[in-house]
Amino acid sequence: DVKVTQSSRYLVKRTGEKVFLECVQDMDHENMFWYRQDPGLGLRLIYFSYDVKMKEKGDIPEGYSVSREKKERFSLILESASTNQTSMYLCASTGLSTGELFFGEGSRLTVL
Amino acid sequence: AQTVTQSQPEMSVQEAETVTLSCTYDTSENNYYLFWYKQPPSRQMILVIRQEAYKQQNATENRFSVNFQKAAKSFSLKISDSQLGDTAMYFCAFMIDNAGNMLTFGGGTRLMVKP
Repeated sequence: DVKVTQSSRYLVKRTGEKVFLECVQDMDHENMFWYRQDPGLGLRLIYFSYDVKMKEKGDIPEGYSVSREKKERFSLILESASTNQTSMYLCASTGLSTGELFFGEGSRLTVL
Repeated sequence: AQTVTQSQPEMSVQEAETVTLSCTYDTSENNYYLFWYKQPPSRQMILVIRQEAYKQQNATENRFSVNFQKAAKSFSLKISDSQLGDTAMYFCAFMIDNAGNMLTFGGGTRLMVKP
C-alpha cells in the first residue's frame, strides 16, 4: 500500500516561530502537494512539486515556502507563524493514476 | 478559474438507507475529471469514485454511484445501503485534463450514518 507519512499530527506554536511540516512518501511518486483544510473552505492548494528541487505556487502560497531536496520528501515551512495559519495541513502525492491523490493523515497546527 | 460548490455542509442518514450528496461546479473547459473523496474521522482521505467528463455513463463503485449531468454541471454522489463506516467528510473535486493532477476541491459535506 502507498504510504504518505506526515511527521507531526499535532503541533502548537507561538506567533513568529518558524514551523517545519515534513512529508515522506514511499511510492516513488514524482508529484507532491501541500494543502490546508479549513471548515467550509475545503482543501486549498498551497504549493506543489513535480520533481526534486522543483516547486510551484498553488492558490494560497503567501506566508509559506517549501523544500524538496529528495524525491520522497516534501517539506512545508512557515517562516514566521501567524494565528491565521492555524489549520489542518495535508500532504499528498500522486503517480500516474489520473486524479488519485494519496494523502497523509494531516498535521493540525495551532498558532497562539 | 474553476469552482466547486457543495451546498450541504452536514447530512445524516439511517443505516441501510440511501443518501445523495450534491456537488456543482463551474468551468469553461470541455475535458475534465470529477472525483469524490472520503475523509473518515482521524484517518487519511481516500478516493471514492472518479468520472471522466467525456463518458456519458455514470461511474459506479460497489455501493457508491454518481449522477453526472454535464450540461447542468452537477455531480452528485449516491451511497446505497449506508453503513456506519461511511461516516466521514466527503469532498467533491474537479480536475482539468492534462493538468498534472491539480485538483480543485469543494467545501465538503459531513455525513453521519446513524445506527
